[in-house]
Amino acid sequence: AQRVTQPEKLLSVFKGAPVELKCNYSYSGSPELFWYVQYSRQRLQLLLRHISRESIKGFTADLNKGETSFHLKKPFAQEEDSAMYYCALHTNAGKSTFGDGTTLTVKP
Amino acid sequence: EAGVAQSPRYKIIEKRQSVAFWCNPISGHATLYWYQQILGQGPKLLIQFQNNGVVDDSQLPKDRFSAERLKGVDSTLKIQPAKLEDSAVYLCASSLASGGPQETQYFGPGTRLLVL
Repeated sequence: AQRVTQPEKLLSVFKGAPVELKCNYSYSGSPELFWYVQYSRQRLQLLLRHISRESIKGFTADLNKGETSFHLKKPFAQEEDSAMYYCALHTNAGKSTFGDGTTLTVKP
Repeated sequence: EAGVAQSPRYKIIEKRQSVAFWCNPISGHATLYWYQQILGQGPKLLIQFQNNGVVDDSQLPKDRFSAERLKGVDSTLKIQPAKLEDSAVYLCASSLASGGPQETQYFGPGTRLLVL
């Protein structure tokens, strides 16, 4: 069975500081990994996915199969980045597993 | 394009009562998902439909939960009878095609259920 772990429930940084939200996964197959974000009073939405190898709103994430990690990084955090972030794993069988989320607070 | 719609947004019931939630996916989306999100946890997949067929319902508590997607469009999720531990946000999501691992899921606003 697959599992996604986000070790930090809460993360607080100052504006302009680097931020890294950790995600570790366990899955015997080849995973597709995603980061979803939920801003205050908004619905859950896709932030980025590893297959696209893209940078969205300054965030990047690299899949490290050796460490089974998919950490989300941004070099300079902004106040508008404050939100709940979920790491998710989608399998070839169509099953989606989400981590329990990290609440990021960016202080002015 | 219009997003995923869900109703009601909030529901309060007493234990052992029944409740139903409705979801209307994005037009043309073949795959529909229902998730349960308990406070402090991430969404947990309950059931996945592709058109009107069930792809995965391995985590659906079938003794009390049921879901249908007649005509492959709208879907309803029912709980009968409800228990205290069913208090959660119920999220509906849809994706365009087969629901494969690379597809983006689009989420609705959720229905917040409180069972007293």
